Amino acid sequence: EAEVAQSPRYKITEKSQAVAFWCDPISGHATLYWYRQILGQGPELLVQFQDESVVDDSQLPKDRFSAERLKGVDSTLKIQPAELGDSAMYLCASSPRLAGLYGYTFGSGTRLTVV
Amino acid sequence: GEDVEQSLFLSVREGDSSVINCTYTDSSSTYLYWYKQEPGAGLQLLTYIFSNMDMKQDQRLTVLLNKKDKHLSLRIADTQTGDSAIYFCAEKANRDDKIIFGKGTRLHILP
Repeated sequence: EAEVAQSPRYKITEKSQAVAFWCDPISGHATLYWYRQILGQGPELLVQFQDESVVDDSQLPKDRFSAERLKGVDSTLKIQPAELGDSAMYLCASSPRLAGLYGYTFGSGTRLTVV
Repeated sequence: GEDVEQSLFLSVREGDSSVINCTYTDSSSTYLYWYKQEPGAGLQLLTYIFSNMDMKQDQRLTVLLNKKDKHLSLRIADTQTGDSAIYFCAEKANRDDKIIFGKGTRLHILP
């Protein structure tokens, strides 16, 4: 069964350092999403890509977060500098061009701890 | 605005039925979903329902939708220890491709 791959699985970083997460969606999925899930909360959308273009980044803290999907396939989410409040699970998901019927397929996530 | 509300905890005895409830605010929602998240894992799509349906059954899972009250429920029959997880209700509006999640209901199974 096709999966969304994410790495690293876990990341511990010091406050003010830079950190990056990588996501490889299911082959052929045009739409890619980055979600942040704070402990005890539901996932919140950070950024949505359609192919290589950003469709929605209204909830992305752009002073410190950046995301790219240069060739419309895999994607990188970066935080610089990291803050204590960024500790969370970062989930990547992908879907065919129209998510509707299928919902999203999520990766296993990257758990970030900022110390 | 868009908002999805669900209770945070539910305890059920093994073998009983679990019913997880959810309310949403966006009347234009076209698809509603239930996702399951096991500890340390990503979210797994359990089932979905179209907004023009009242009920959907899939093996042990029954989804009921009351569109008038914007109320969605997930019933798990014969609850097993493997059903212990967090269950997220989610909605997708017709106008965009964004899925909005609730905070999740933690299902605890009692022996």
